[in-house]
Amino acid sequence: KNEVEQSPQNLTAQEGEFITINCSYSVGISALHWLQQHPGGGIVSLFMLSSGKKKHGRLIATINIQEKHSSLHITASHPRDSAVYICAVRSRGSGGSNYKLTFGKGTLLTVNP
Amino acid sequence: DVKVTQSSRYLVKRTGEKVFLECVQDMDHENMFWYRQDPGLGLRLIYFSYDVKMKEKGDIPEGYSVSREKKERFSLILESASTNQTSMYLCASSLSFLRREKETQYFGPGTRLLVL
Repeated sequence: KNEVEQSPQNLTAQEGEFITINCSYSVGISALHWLQQHPGGGIVSLFMLSSGKKKHGRLIATINIQEKHSSLHITASHPRDSAVYICAVRSRGSGGSNYKLTFGKGTLLTVNP
Repeated sequence: DVKVTQSSRYLVKRTGEKVFLECVQDMDHENMFWYRQDPGLGLRLIYFSYDVKMKEKGDIPEGYSVSREKKERFSLILESASTNQTSMYLCASSLSFLRREKETQYFGPGTRLLVL
């Protein structure tokens, strides 16, 4: 079973700061997802990665397959970025096990004005 | 835009009651999922369905069952609710696993269930 660890668990930043959230996993994967959850529960998918780097606005996600590690960066952070950020991986596997996502426990980001 | 809706945002039930949570998606997605989310534990998969009438157990299926009679609708059933099933329940759907770019999951708003 894949173990997914996120760090830090909690992160407080000042508006404008550059933010990095880390995700490590233990077993080879087919894909890694970054998700955002705002207070109130709604979860939105930000990125799906299998290699390299993706950018969307002020968000950048990178993955290093050899090191089994991914980072989510937020440039010029803003209070509206305050949310829980969740990393999830789909392990390489056969048959029915290949559909499951294993989720990290999330990183609570608070950006103060 | 994909829309995933859940029948209730908040629900209060008594121990022993049968509870139905419904999820509907409007984008003809093949796959639908039920998760529960608890503080400190993250999201955990209860059941998954990859087609009408097809289902697979997730990591924590005990005490739950599911029904998928139509492609757009996936129901989670708590046969006899217990206090340890108090949680946030989230439904999700995805188009397909055949191509990686189609595996993104779209989540509903969640149902916060309290079992007294």
